[in-house]
Amino acid sequence: DTAVSQTPKYLVTQMGNDKSIKCEQNLGHDTMYWYKQDSKKFLKIMFSYNNKELIINETVPNRFSPKSPDKAHLNLHINSLELGDSAVYFCASSRSEVGYEQYFGPGTRLTVT
Amino acid sequence: AQTVTQSQPEMSVQEAETVTLSCTYDTSESDYYLFWYKQPPSRQMILVIRQEAYKQQNATENRFSVNFQKAAKSFSLKISDSQLGDAAMYFCAYRSYNNNDMRFGAGTRLTVKP
Repeated sequence: DTAVSQTPKYLVTQMGNDKSIKCEQNLGHDTMYWYKQDSKKFLKIMFSYNNKELIINETVPNRFSPKSPDKAHLNLHINSLELGDSAVYFCASSRSEVGYEQYFGPGTRLTVT
Repeated sequence: AQTVTQSQPEMSVQEAETVTLSCTYDTSESDYYLFWYKQPPSRQMILVIRQEAYKQQNATENRFSVNFQKAAKSFSLKISDSQLGDAAMYFCAYRSYNNNDMRFGAGTRLTVKP
């Protein structure tokens, strides 16, 4: 019954590795997002994606790339992980109609050592 | 670009009392949506309440209500009869009418004292 799910919930890896975080939503939403929450709890949008367009926050390094195999999934791939990538990453989804709130996944805590 | 400001990094309230969390935002748009999200220690982001800018009436959800002042660009959250389970980070968010862009404030950490 989980609306937005993410795997894994915790991820510990070494610098330089490549990793992926998976996100799935069963709400029938057509827009999905990735957010990064830093140690000070600040939430920053990284990507928003629907079947029409991908909008990238220009401050996101190109080591981060979203991949959407279908409308219900938006995975986050991270190449050449750096210490500063350590954070909690949230996936979210919403209907694209005006004003709809976003539903969040449980978050993935990424620790880069 | 729209910005959202939460000027209170931390707030505390006695159980059963009322607390108000403040939020201001900056925008040149006339139509938009505002939200309050709660993030308990479990980390899950939970929608608390939403407000459409075109509605003058303040939104209410049980013990949670907002004071929306459009001219002042202010959107405060009032929690009545505070409960221990209300302890969490609270984020104010702005969603543009024209796109999916949602901006979050820096959050306010609410502590509820028994």
